[in-house]
Amino acid sequence: DQQVKQNSPSLSVQEGRISILNCDYTNSMFDYFLWYKKYPAEGPTFLISISSIKDKNEDGRFTVFLNKSAKHLSLHIVPSQPGDSAVYFCAASARRDSNYQLIWGAGTKLIIKP
Amino acid sequence: DGGITQSPKYLFRKEGQNVTLSCEQNLNHDAMYWYRQDPGQGLRLIYYSQIVNDFQKGDIAEGYSVSREKKESFPLTVTSAQKNPTAFYLCASSPRQKPGMYGYTFGSGTRLTVV
Repeated sequence: DQQVKQNSPSLSVQEGRISILNCDYTNSMFDYFLWYKKYPAEGPTFLISISSIKDKNEDGRFTVFLNKSAKHLSLHIVPSQPGDSAVYFCAASARRDSNYQLIWGAGTKLIIKP
Repeated sequence: DGGITQSPKYLFRKEGQNVTLSCEQNLNHDAMYWYRQDPGQGLRLIYYSQIVNDFQKGDIAEGYSVSREKKESFPLTVTSAQKNPTAFYLCASSPRQKPGMYGYTFGSGTRLTVV
């Protein structure tokens, strides 16, 4: 059962425009949602997170929006830059075996065109 | 600087051999994790450990083994029973409580290739 879904395997955006990456989830008990960025042959790096009690969190060019009624979150990158080309993973925090763990989406490859 | 170190970066294994991937962290994190990533796929959990001397199977534990004798170290052994071991392996750590708040810290990964 895939609890966190990223339905777009890839996304291509013009440099300077807005990139919007989407993520859907099924478990209403998730308490935090996170976005990670990953370059090839490197480990993922943390970008931004949002608590389930909030609907927006902003950090520089990155903003995450959470729509709890739709069980949907999105990451907005404005303006998009060439260095943003990477794979972006959505993750959600859930209780497992009396502790909390992250459940991961399959990732979306973002390509920024010059 | 605190961080998480994986070694080696590249590893080649012959058919039928066991190999061990190293993961060390100096972040004082209680929890540690091993993930596998295949081309075009997400992160799949192999094993995780919340405290020293305790670990749990993840979603794809068959053919793998781990140990957690020290807080700082969580080595992964890929055994000959793993039918398709060629992949990119990632180690991560987090505070035991509320990883969603703090996130995981990842190592730079080990690329394992069976030759």
